[in-house]
Amino acid sequence: GESVGLHLPTLSVQEGDNSIINCAYSNSASDYFIWYKQESGKGPQFIIDIRSNMDKRQGQRVTVLLNKTVKHLSLQIAATQPGDSAVYFCAENKGFGEETSGSRLTFGEGTQLTVNP
Amino acid sequence: DTAVSQTPKYLVTQMGNDKSIKCEQNLGHDTMYWYKQDSKKFLKIMFSYNNKELIINETVPNRFSPKSPDKAHLNLHINSLELGDSAVYFCASSQDLGQGSNYGYTFGSGTRLTVV
Repeated sequence: GESVGLHLPTLSVQEGDNSIINCAYSNSASDYFIWYKQESGKGPQFIIDIRSNMDKRQGQRVTVLLNKTVKHLSLQIAATQPGDSAVYFCAENKGFGEETSGSRLTFGEGTQLTVNP
Repeated sequence: DTAVSQTPKYLVTQMGNDKSIKCEQNLGHDTMYWYKQDSKKFLKIMFSYNNKELIINETVPNRFSPKSPDKAHLNLHINSLELGDSAVYFCASSQDLGQGSNYGYTFGSGTRLTVV
């Protein structure tokens, strides 16, 4: 079936470096994408989202890039800090803006980001 | 105040027992969900309720029965627990009528279920 997946299960970076976490999705009908951060012992936490009519969106120290041609999503974290260590998930959804219930957020497998001091 | 709260946080029980996990959200969201996260961190949707009505019911054993007494609560009851049910269960909620910029879900902190 169609799913959202990640290229790398683990990523290790030095504190202060920039991090890039990648995600590939296969459902071309998806029109909304979200990155979540899950710290140990906690639930996933919303980081940033992007709609399919955009190719880039910036937040505080984070940037999400969407390439619909190759169905690729990435999360860039600037000046990575130890507090950024967590598992990062991309997720896809369909039907953004439609007045329908029962949206289905499909998650990828997650990338464990480790920040070394 | 916690937006999505679920109890208990930890649950250890023996095979064959029946247990419940409770979830409450104070965000005024219309839709609530249960997700299961396995040992490899993969998150898979189990159920979705919109205004107390079952919307999504994935291929989950019928030993799992969600109950939504009102739109702010979605509880999960599990009968005849098996070893394979051990996982972290997350409750989530969303307002998914295209209103607002955040179309994502708000998750609870999870319930770690261990069946022995």
